[in-house]
Amino acid sequence: GQQLNQSPQSMFIQEGEDVSMNCTSSSIFNTWLWYKQDPGEGPVLLIALYKAGELTSNGRLTAQFGITRKDSFLNISASIPSDVGIYFCAGRPTNFGNEKLTFGTGTRLTIIP
Amino acid sequence: DAGITQSPRHKVTETGTPVTLRCHQTENHRYMYWYRQDPGHGLRLIHYSYGVKDTDKGEVSDGYSVSRSKTEDFLLTLESATSSQTSVYFCAIRRYGTSGDRGDTQYFGPGTRLTVL
Repeated sequence: GQQLNQSPQSMFIQEGEDVSMNCTSSSIFNTWLWYKQDPGEGPVLLIALYKAGELTSNGRLTAQFGITRKDSFLNISASIPSDVGIYFCAGRPTNFGNEKLTFGTGTRLTIIP
Repeated sequence: DAGITQSPRHKVTETGTPVTLRCHQTENHRYMYWYRQDPGHGLRLIHYSYGVKDTDKGEVSDGYSVSRSKTEDFLLTLESATSSQTSVYFCAIRRYGTSGDRGDTQYFGPGTRLTVL
């Protein structure tokens, strides 16, 4: 199955810094989803995007559906300790059937004291 | 919170033994999924169900079977566990939106950590 290219794989930042991560694919997508996973727990949905160019915010988080429909971006502003975790992108390729998602391999965010 | 529970949450078993993991949902969703999560691979689909007794394979279905006799329960069975099946297993449901594709998402359970010795 196809997997998304998610970058960076890991990030080490200081509290208060802004964070950017992205996912890219060789296929056109009709949905992009961003999840966060804390240790020992399941992924939690943060933001969902359904239209090329769409920009959606959830508090300090902002995600965008790329206009080429082959990428998506997640930004976190003014990071705080509870932002630590693994962030996953997921999407629906247009040729995949709406019942299934394909996932990125995750970006691990660590805040340096 | 999508009302998803998984049991057990942790299990250690020996190679060759059968193992069944249970996913239970309380919101009557039609679609349910089983994924496994391994370092460097992200989440990979094992099997999914689109209704009672209706199931289909995902990308890593070898060595796994599933059953869905009730809407609320989706079982994943490892007929003869192998060390390569040591992983964290997540169940998910598909929640539809109210307008076309918009709102069509998946929500995950808390996971089951399985160790096969």
